[in-house]
This record gives sequence, C-alpha cells and structure tokens, in this order.
Amino acid sequence: GIQVEQSPPDLILQEGANSTLRCNFSDSVNNLQWFHQNPWGQLINLFYIPSGTKQNGRLSATTVATERYSLLYISSSQTTDSGVYFCAASKAAGNKLTFGGGTRVLVKP
Amino acid sequence: NAGVTQTPKFRILKIGQSMTLQCTQDMNHNYMYWYRQDPGMGLKLIYYSVGAGITDKGEVPNGYNVSRSTTEDFPLRLELAAPSQTSVYFCASTMGGEAFFGQGTRLTVV
Repeated sequence: GIQVEQSPPDLILQEGANSTLRCNFSDSVNNLQWFHQNPWGQLINLFYIPSGTKQNGRLSATTVATERYSLLYISSSQTTDSGVYFCAASKAAGNKLTFGGGTRVLVKP
Repeated sequence: NAGVTQTPKFRILKIGQSMTLQCTQDMNHNYMYWYRQDPGMGLKLIYYSVGAGITDKGEVPNGYNVSRSTTEDFPLRLELAAPSQTSVYFCASTMGGEAFFGQGTRLTVV
C-alpha cells in the first residue's frame, strides 16, 4: 500500500512565526487531506487537496502530485495552532486513507 | 447536519468483556471506516466498508468485527477485550472524495 511520511516530527514555534510542514507519499494519489488534531483529540479537516494550492485564513496547502509531496504552511502562528497535524492519502476514490505519523506543533506565547 | 456521530465518547472495559462502538453518518456516504489511534501515533485502519453489506479488513483487524446492514450505520464489535485494545477509536465516512471523522471513542481496557 501507499506510504506516507511527515516531517518534521516535532516543531516548536514562537507565537507569530511562520512554518512549513511536509508530507511525502510513495505513489500517485486520488485523495490527500490535512487534519489538525487539537489537544482534546478531535480531528479537524483542514484541506482536501489531491493537487494544487488552497488557502484558508492563515493556513495554506500545496500538493505537487507529480513529485509526490504536499506542504502545509502556517503563517503568523497562534497558540491555538498547537496540536498534531496529520497528512493522509489514498490511491483511489473512496479508498482507505493511510495516515502519516504526524507533526506535533507547540506554539509558545 | 450531524455528520459522523460516534457513541459512546468514553468507556472503561474489564478484560474479557465485549462491547459495540456505534457509528452513524447522515451524509449518505457509501464508504465508511474504523481507525484506532494509540498514544503518540497516527491512525491505523481496522475495517472498512464500500457499501451496505460489504466489509473488508484493514491493517489491524484482529480482535474486532464489523457489520454494515444499512448505509448509515457501521458498528465495531470487540468480543473479548484485551489491554492491547486500549486506544482511541475513530469512525469516518466519504462519498469518494473528502473524508469526515467522528469525534472519537476513548476506550480503556483494565
């Protein structure tokens, strides 16, 4: 099956800083999603982005499908951005999502 | 629109007990999934279903069973609970594109 790797595994930011999280996947994908798991354990959908670029407020994401990676950008980070960010991918429509190991982000005030 | 609803939110089981984790979605999605998340780890697929009456194993199916008698419901059954099944369980659904997750069930087996 598809392999998904995320980097870095841990990230400590000062409030206001910008950062980039990376997701590499081993095969062509039909679905690529980014999630934020908040400190209460909820999985929040950030982006559904099998290709191209999307922006939502201070967050944006880019997937370069031909080169098998996706990037999540956090600008002007806030303490509420703390948590774990997961990338997940699948090869076919409706196919099971494979998750990466996550990037644990701590934003300090 | 409720999305994906899981019950219960928390549960403590004794070794050897059984229970069913409930999952319901109101989006008329064909595909449904059960994942488990161990502390500090990513999510691993337990079972999935591509439609009513069709289920298949994921990466970590041992110790679990599922059924899919309706489009809306996808219950996960633990027959003989073991400490290794202590985890957070997530249900998800999709029509083929973006997947949506429930709020999770935190299960502890003692």
